[in-house]
Amino acid sequence: AQSVTQPDIHITVSEGASLELRCNYSYGATPYLFWYVQSPGQGLQLLLKYFSGDTLVQGIKGFEAEFKRSQSSFNLRKPSVHWSDAAEYFCAVGPSGYSTLTFGKGTMLLVSP
Amino acid sequence: DAGVIQSPRHEVTEMGQEVTLRCKPISGHDYLFWYRQTMMRGLELLIYFNNNVPIDDSGMPEDRFSAKMPNASFSTLKIQPSEPRDSAVYFCASSLGGGQGTQYFGPGTRLTVL
Repeated sequence: AQSVTQPDIHITVSEGASLELRCNYSYGATPYLFWYVQSPGQGLQLLLKYFSGDTLVQGIKGFEAEFKRSQSSFNLRKPSVHWSDAAEYFCAVGPSGYSTLTFGKGTMLLVSP
Repeated sequence: DAGVIQSPRHEVTEMGQEVTLRCKPISGHDYLFWYRQTMMRGLELLIYFNNNVPIDDSGMPEDRFSAKMPNASFSTLKIQPSEPRDSAVYFCASSLGGGQGTQYFGPGTRLTVL
């Protein structure tokens, strides 16, 4: 069965600083990988996804993620964080061609002035 | 499009009562998912439908939970009887196609069982 680990429960970043959120997955084949963001009181919004091809994926709001098969990782990055990026971020994995997703426990991003 | 619509947004009930959560997926989407989010367990898939047919309900915690999708524009998740440990945020999501189809989430229903 697939699993997702987000090792950081909370991360605090200064506004304007760079950000990297970690995600490690466990799955026997090439998975579909996703990053979602959840603002307080809201549902989850897709930031980006990886299915195949270029391992560096661009998403919305200036986010990008890199798939590294050798490390079973799919880390999310942003070069300069804005206060509005404060939210909870979820990494998810799904078997290719199948519908169900397994989510990580999430990383809460706090942005300090 | 209005996105995925869920009602109610908040529900407070007493133990033993029946609770019904409602979801209207995005028009044209053929997959519908019900998730539960808690601090302890994170986001868990409860059940999902394809073309109104339940495909996988292995995440439904017990017989007290049931879900239906009578048509392409409406689904319900029912808990009867409710228990305090059912307190959570319940999300509905829909997608067009499985696999590569992006899941669009509703705002969730926060359920509190006293």
